[in-house]
Amino acid sequence: EVQVVESGGGLVQPGRSLRLSCTTSGFTFGDFAMGWVRQAPGKGLEWVGLITSTAYGETTENAASVKGRFTISRDDSKSIAYLQMNSLKTEDTAVYYCVRVTAGDYFDYWGQGTLVTVPS
Amino acid sequence: SYVLTQPPSLSVAPGKMAGITCGGDKVGSKSVHWYQQKPGQAPVLVIYYDKDRPSGIPERFSGSNSGNTATLTISRVEAGDEADYYCQVWDSSGDHWVFGGGTKLTVL
Repeated sequence: EVQVVESGGGLVQPGRSLRLSCTTSGFTFGDFAMGWVRQAPGKGLEWVGLITSTAYGETTENAASVKGRFTISRDDSKSIAYLQMNSLKTEDTAVYYCVRVTAGDYFDYWGQGTLVTVPS
Repeated sequence: SYVLTQPPSLSVAPGKMAGITCGGDKVGSKSVHWYQQKPGQAPVLVIYYDKDRPSGIPERFSGSNSGNTATLTISRVEAGDEADYYCQVWDSSGDHWVFGGGTKLTVL
């Protein structure tokens, strides 16, 4: 059974940093790209970024809203993906979901999400 | 950047059909995927590649995509279908994944 579990969320002051982890099991982690999607309170879904598999060079892409501040990485030996968030802003307050990305560019498995709160 | 437009809300009586639209420039040339999100839960993939259903998704869920509009159709709507629905595409021009704004389906 595929499992995707996020951790590391919490309350963080503006300008500070936070690292989210996405621990997976039930599939060959190294074969898949992994991504992050966020959802601000009461709002819709927003793609944050992704990292391709090692076979595709662990290339990363980020949404314009987080480019230069957020970095995605992966540790295939541990089946974990990370989202390093720097220079956090109040508008980064959201539930952050980790997703498995298929070759068809859709997200077939989602974690339960972890809440990041950046107070004003 | 590419924009997907969904109606904010839709209300349907139980047993009737619901059609949730997703508009975008030449969206028919892209693959559209749909997600269902119930309150307090993570999204779940319900349709991929315009019309394919993942295992476990009822046959009542179907999809189509042509021209400038993709549609998620739910036949014989049930109370348990009440949720937010989001369409999604990959925008190759910007190497970005794009979501529609979401449609809240209310079952009357």
